[in-house]
Amino acid sequence: DAGITQSPRHKVTETGTPVTLRCHQTENHRYMYWYRQDPGHGLRLIHYSYGVKDTDKGEVSDGYSVSRSKTEDFLLTLESATSSQTSVYFCAISPGQNPYEQYFGPGTRLTVT
Amino acid sequence: GENVEQHPSTLSVQEGDSAVIKCTYSDSASNYFPWYKQELGKGPQLIIDIRSNVGEKKDQRIAVTLNKTAKHFSLHITETQPEDSAVYFCAASPNQAGTALIFGKGTTLSVSS
Repeated sequence: DAGITQSPRHKVTETGTPVTLRCHQTENHRYMYWYRQDPGHGLRLIHYSYGVKDTDKGEVSDGYSVSRSKTEDFLLTLESATSSQTSVYFCAISPGQNPYEQYFGPGTRLTVT
Repeated sequence: GENVEQHPSTLSVQEGDSAVIKCTYSDSASNYFPWYKQELGKGPQLIIDIRSNVGEKKDQRIAVTLNKTAKHFSLHITETQPEDSAVYFCAASPNQAGTALIFGKGTTLSVSS
């Protein structure tokens, strides 16, 4: 999984609670991404980062925030989880000059009840 | 914005047969087209990619072809094996600010022995 770890790997939480997912990489890659994967929708970009403290929104960013205070960690936060955020969340990195060449982590399955 | 359509959604072949998955894209300025393989419970794995200045690329039993005029690209798997069974995703990189890959909705390939 491209030297990426995601934690937790599984989480069940209740509607309205805050949730933070962590992506950790060990190779000092500049670009990091958060995607969600849902049946019928494929993979959709939530947020991405192009450096420490440099982040931007993706296609489905509403209800999510991110932070990157150090190169190796990219955090995804659901401030107040909703059932529509039940999904599998994948972190990805780009190791080289092409930011589109992306490698994915193992994923986090989040269930919001 | 960019839109990627992928066909078929499911594909069943006999071991040893060839499999072809096709994708079309809408943004003529897109210039990078990766293919991912996703096994159950795992993250997508980059298996092959092609840039817009190349018409075909091969890696052992897999190949990708690109027709820029028609705006479509295809994944070809020859001599399929049961371990090729997985969900395959195509993607395209839009030529706009940001680093979002746009993914197709996936093809479930089943190889029976």
